[in-house]
Amino acid sequence: DAGITQSPRHKVTETGTPVTLRCHQTENHRYMYWYRQDPGHGLRLIHYSYGVKDTDKGEVSDGYSVSRSKTEDFLLTLESATSSQTSVYFCAISESTPGASPLHFGNGTRLTVT
Amino acid sequence: DQQVKQNSPSLSVQEGRISILNCDYTNSMFDYFLWYKKYPAEGPTFLISISSIKDKNEDGRFTVFLNKSAKHLSLHIVPSQPGDSAVYFCAASAQYSSASKIIFGSGTRLSIRP
Repeated sequence: DAGITQSPRHKVTETGTPVTLRCHQTENHRYMYWYRQDPGHGLRLIHYSYGVKDTDKGEVSDGYSVSRSKTEDFLLTLESATSSQTSVYFCAISESTPGASPLHFGNGTRLTVT
Repeated sequence: DQQVKQNSPSLSVQEGRISILNCDYTNSMFDYFLWYKKYPAEGPTFLISISSIKDKNEDGRFTVFLNKSAKHLSLHIVPSQPGDSAVYFCAASAQYSSASKIIFGSGTRLSIRP
């Protein structure tokens, strides 16, 4: 299995509070991604990174920011959490360019915003 | 607008029979297609992929068929086993696009009954 660790695995927070989710990889892969999974929507891309300090938006990026200061870590921040951001968040990595190689996923973070 | 569609939210198949999961896409630029399998409380795991230069790819019990003219792909599992019960996601991307991203469908829950 690809070495991907997401933390925390579960989090409950209140509306309006900031939240940071962490993804750590030991594979030295260049590409890292944050997806959210919701019923009826499957997996939707929030942000991705193609190198240290190089990031880009996905299809549902509003309300989220990311940072990648080291190859192995990719952080997802909800600046002010809302109930619509209650979801399961998955980090993924890939060795090659998006679409040219499969993604390998972490086990997810279940976030509940009350 | 969903670019990758899995129109069957669920499918029930008897053990030992063939499972056929379907996926349609709308973007003619997609040229790389993947299937992922997901168990509860785990991240999706890569199952099989196919490039648009092929119309079939086989890996053990799993075969993916691609019909480019119909913009349709399917995953065949034969024979179906209890451990195949999971949610299956179809995904697609345009490999050589500078903005290439992997887009997922909403998933099909496959249940294998004894």
